Amino acid sequence: AQTVTQSQPEMSVQEAETVTLSCTYDTSESNYYLFWYKQPPSRQMILVIRQEAYKQQNATENRFSVNFQKAAKSFSLKISDSQLGDTAMYFCAISPQGGSEKLVFGKGTKLTVNP
Amino acid sequence: SQTIHQWPATLVQPVGSPLSLECTVEGTSNPNLYWYRQAAGRGLQLLFYSVGIGQISSEVPQNLSASRPQDRQFILSSKKLLLSDSGFYLCAWSVISGELFFGEGSRLTVL
Repeated sequence: AQTVTQSQPEMSVQEAETVTLSCTYDTSESNYYLFWYKQPPSRQMILVIRQEAYKQQNATENRFSVNFQKAAKSFSLKISDSQLGDTAMYFCAISPQGGSEKLVFGKGTKLTVNP
Repeated sequence: SQTIHQWPATLVQPVGSPLSLECTVEGTSNPNLYWYRQAAGRGLQLLFYSVGIGQISSEVPQNLSASRPQDRQFILSSKKLLLSDSGFYLCAWSVISGELFFGEGSRLTVL
């Protein structure tokens, strides 16, 4: 079984600053994907960033980057130059390779960006 | 490009009434389709998923059912709603890579 733990239910950051959201996971799979999803107040959830476990290089997408520590089973999300539009719920998730139906989500972190 | 539509966006129903939430995907063929329920502080719970027409897998026993009458249509139903069925329901689709694409969601309130 896979589990995902997000230990920070809520966080806040000032506009233009950097914030890091934590995520730890557990899995017995050797090949898996890790994801960060964003759910703004408008409610449509979208993918922020994806990491394949076999890749050592940390994924980046513009202002979003991850710190993937495979041995520690840690997958944190760093948001640089935070913007008001980054205010949202952020969910960390894991799935085995080719197994979307086994995708497991964490409980989420509510991030507020303050002006 | 692919799009996903989910409706209705908001629904208020009395206990014991039936339910039908619909989801359609455009721009892709033979997607995997999913119904999730989201509860505050509890993340997302997978309710049903489907890998093809007429193929439904249920993850948790409950008062709900799902059907896939067409390749890109996924329906969540109930014959008699319970108070505990209230929540936010999300439809999603995926391809092999595992990434999910979500609909806008449906807020169900059972009174």
